[in-house]
Amino acid sequence: NAGVTQTPKFRILKIGQSMTLQCAQDMNHNYMYWYRQDPGMGLKLIYYSVGAGITDKGEVPNGYNVSRSTTEDFPLRLELAAPSQTSVYFCASSYSPGQGKETQYFGPGTRLLVL
Amino acid sequence: GQQLNQSPQSMFIQEGEDVSMNCTSSSIFNTWLWYKQDPGEGPVLLIALYKAGELTSNGRLTAQFGITRKDSFLNISASIPSDVGIYFCAGRSSNTGKLIFGQGTTLQVKP
Repeated sequence: NAGVTQTPKFRILKIGQSMTLQCAQDMNHNYMYWYRQDPGMGLKLIYYSVGAGITDKGEVPNGYNVSRSTTEDFPLRLELAAPSQTSVYFCASSYSPGQGKETQYFGPGTRLLVL
Repeated sequence: GQQLNQSPQSMFIQEGEDVSMNCTSSSIFNTWLWYKQDPGEGPVLLIALYKAGELTSNGRLTAQFGITRKDSFLNISASIPSDVGIYFCAGRSSNTGKLIFGQGTTLQVKP
């Protein structure tokens, strides 16, 4: 298994540009998550999905959109990039919470710089 | 919103020393997870705890789920240079069901 994969690894955007961060998992997990990590800080949940076709907002959803058309893929879209979105973005996946197998597995991250 | 308080924020220790860090919450959690993040990488799960009082080891690492269900600690024995990284606790709230991450403990080990 490749686990959780993310692309690109690094990207520089100009203010106002848009981009999509890709995330895929091959563990047949129904839950997927997007987090951002700012320097010296913990992980903040942006959006999550409990299954294909179902998404919900996390703690910091403003400025982002997601979709979940398949179990495997969970892309994150930035429509109008702002400097405040400079961060490291992590995608994660897990089984359903409460089944004793709810630990989240993380991808390697996408480093985004908005100038 | 709910928060986890993780301490200490950073540690700088000598190789061979033992390390202890902890997380506390004002509310009850039903799951505690401990992750390690190496520089430039995503967090990797170290230990998962599902029952109050549970004590689990993974090599030189030991973690416990507090009896009150509001705290957890992680111990690293006989630290080595490759223990360097950021350690995160994460807890799943019994109230909301959401997983919340602590701010992280940055560990540096001097050879």
